[in-house]
Amino acid sequence: EAAVTQSPRSKVAVTGGKVTLSCHQTNNHDYMYWYRQDTGHGLRLIHYSYVADSTEKGDIPDGYKASRPSQENFSLILELASLSQTAVYFCASSDSGVAEQFFGPGTRLTVL
Amino acid sequence: AQSVTQPDARVTVSEGASLQLRCKYSSSVTPYLFWYVQYPRQGLQLLLKYYSGDPVVQGVNGFEAEFSKSNSSFHLRKASVHWSDSAVYFCAVGGPLGKLIFGQGTKLSIKP
Repeated sequence: EAAVTQSPRSKVAVTGGKVTLSCHQTNNHDYMYWYRQDTGHGLRLIHYSYVADSTEKGDIPDGYKASRPSQENFSLILELASLSQTAVYFCASSDSGVAEQFFGPGTRLTVL
Repeated sequence: AQSVTQPDARVTVSEGASLQLRCKYSSSVTPYLFWYVQYPRQGLQLLLKYYSGDPVVQGVNGFEAEFSKSNSSFHLRKASVHWSDSAVYFCAVGGPLGKLIFGQGTKLSIKP
């Protein structure tokens, strides 16, 4: 069965520190996405990628970088974590630009 | 620009009753639309999707949705809800390269 996994599942970071969130998919999908979810709100797109070694900015990219070293892996990097980046982060994959997206279980990030 | 509005943040219905969750979208072209469900502490799971054709689409677990171009709506329905349907439901509209725009979500609670 298709699967998207994320690590860590939960993380506490200090303000100003560096945080890396990892996503791995076994779907053989070309497209991968990073979203953030704030309490009581929908998901917002941070970065996405449709081919390895290339990433694109989403709707809210400020303060985030992304890396896609292979088809299977997609990382989200917070170089200088801030309090406002406390949220749940979801990774997703799809096999085309119009297909459904398969979501990972999420990473709960708390920045103190 | 595309957008999605879910006007009801919370909906409570009795077990066995019918359900409608509302979704209004804005798009300059005929969109492709999704309904996702999120159970506590989990990622999003696809309920159903609409690309074209028959405006009534069937999904999993007895859910269906009806696309209306004239009303710019994509409401979700279920004839008889079960306690296990308690979750947060998200409507989303698909954009270029698979970028999804999500509504704010509707939290569904089921009364016994």
